[in-house]
Amino acid sequence: AQTVTQSQPEMSVQEAETVTLSCTYDTSENNYYLFWYKQPPSRQMILVIRQEAYKQQNATENRFSVNFQKAAKSFSLKISDSQLGDTAMYFCAFNAGNMLTFGGGTRLMVKP
Amino acid sequence: NAGVTQTPKFQVLKTGQSMTLQCAQDMNHEYMSWYRQDPGMGLRLIHYSVGAGITDQGEVPNGYNVSRSTTEDFPLRLLSAAPSQTSVYFCASSYSSSLGITEAFFGQGTRLTVV
Repeated sequence: AQTVTQSQPEMSVQEAETVTLSCTYDTSENNYYLFWYKQPPSRQMILVIRQEAYKQQNATENRFSVNFQKAAKSFSLKISDSQLGDTAMYFCAFNAGNMLTFGGGTRLMVKP
Repeated sequence: NAGVTQTPKFQVLKTGQSMTLQCAQDMNHEYMSWYRQDPGMGLRLIHYSVGAGITDQGEVPNGYNVSRSTTEDFPLRLLSAAPSQTSVYFCASSYSSSLGITEAFFGQGTRLTVV
């Protein structure tokens, strides 16, 4: 069974600074997808970034980037120039077939 | 674009009552799924479907039924509601690729309270 672990239940960062959210996963698969989702207070689940395991290059989407370490089974999310609108729950997720597995989430607070 | 439409947004049930959460998508995705979200546990998969007429169990299927008669619709039925089913429920749809399902597109969620 696949598992996804987010070891930081809560984090805070000052506006305009950089923060990194951690995620580790366990799988015996070699090809898979990894995702970070954002859930603001509105409850909507929003895809932040996606990484295919066969790609060595780390994915980047504007201020969001990942550090994907396949051998270590680690998939951290870096948010640069944090904005108040980044305040949300962040979920790491893994998929290698027909079941998307989520971590428990990290609540991020961006402080003015 | 409607995307994934999920109804209702809020619901209160009495223990033992039954109800159906509706989910429809207009993106022609083969894959649809239902999750429940509980504090500290992320989202857990209840049931999923890889196409019309095909459904399978996820991580927490007990107490829930699904069917997939069309590509667009994937309703979730609570047979006899229990307080342990108090949760936020999300429907999602995805494309399938050679690596499995791609990113999920989510509905807006249903907050269900069972009293």
